[in-house]
Amino acid sequence: AQSVTQLDSQVPVFEEAPVELRCNYSSSVSVYLFWYVQYPNQGLQLLLKYLSGSTLVKSINGFEAEFNKSQTSFHLRKPSVHISDTAEYFCAVSDHTQLTFGSGTQLTVLP
Amino acid sequence: SQTIHQWPATLVQPVGSPLSLECTVEGTSNPNLYWYRQAAGRGLQLLFYSVGIGQISSEVPQNLSASRPQDRQFILSSKKLLLSDSGFYLCAWSVRPTGLNTEAFFGQGTRLTVV
Repeated sequence: AQSVTQLDSQVPVFEEAPVELRCNYSSSVSVYLFWYVQYPNQGLQLLLKYLSGSTLVKSINGFEAEFNKSQTSFHLRKPSVHISDTAEYFCAVSDHTQLTFGSGTQLTVLP
Repeated sequence: SQTIHQWPATLVQPVGSPLSLECTVEGTSNPNLYWYRQAAGRGLQLLFYSVGIGQISSEVPQNLSASRPQDRQFILSSKKLLLSDSGFYLCAWSVRPTGLNTEAFFGQGTRLTVV
């Protein structure tokens, strides 16, 4: 069995400040890791993913996440956030048979 | 390109009434299909997934059922809705045969309120 823990349910941050959204997982096998973003009343969109290779993965809109196998973490970071980054962010893990999501972190960027 | 359609976007139904939510995928064949439910503060719960026509796996015992009458059509149903069925329902698909080790593509969701 696998599980995903997102420690922070709400993260308020001022515009242009850095942000880190935390994600820890547990699994008995090797996994693939994902971050999805959900804007209000919409479905989820893939933000970035780690399948293999470099442990640092980046999205086109400035987010990045680093896979840390020893700490079983996949934290999401952005050095300078914008108002438009306000959304809910979901971490997810796949053990090749099932995709398991965390409970989500609401990122609110304040002006 | 592939697209996924999910309808209706919002739905208000009385307790005890039936439910039918439909999801269709275009631009791909033999997809894996999924129904998720999202409750506030509880993340996404996988309800059903399907690897082919007529093949449904249920992840959580509940008041709901799913069917896949065609390759790219996935239907979520209930004979009698409960208040606890309220939530945001999301349909998703992923490529086969790699399944869930690649990304899942989500529909826009259906906001169901049972009153």
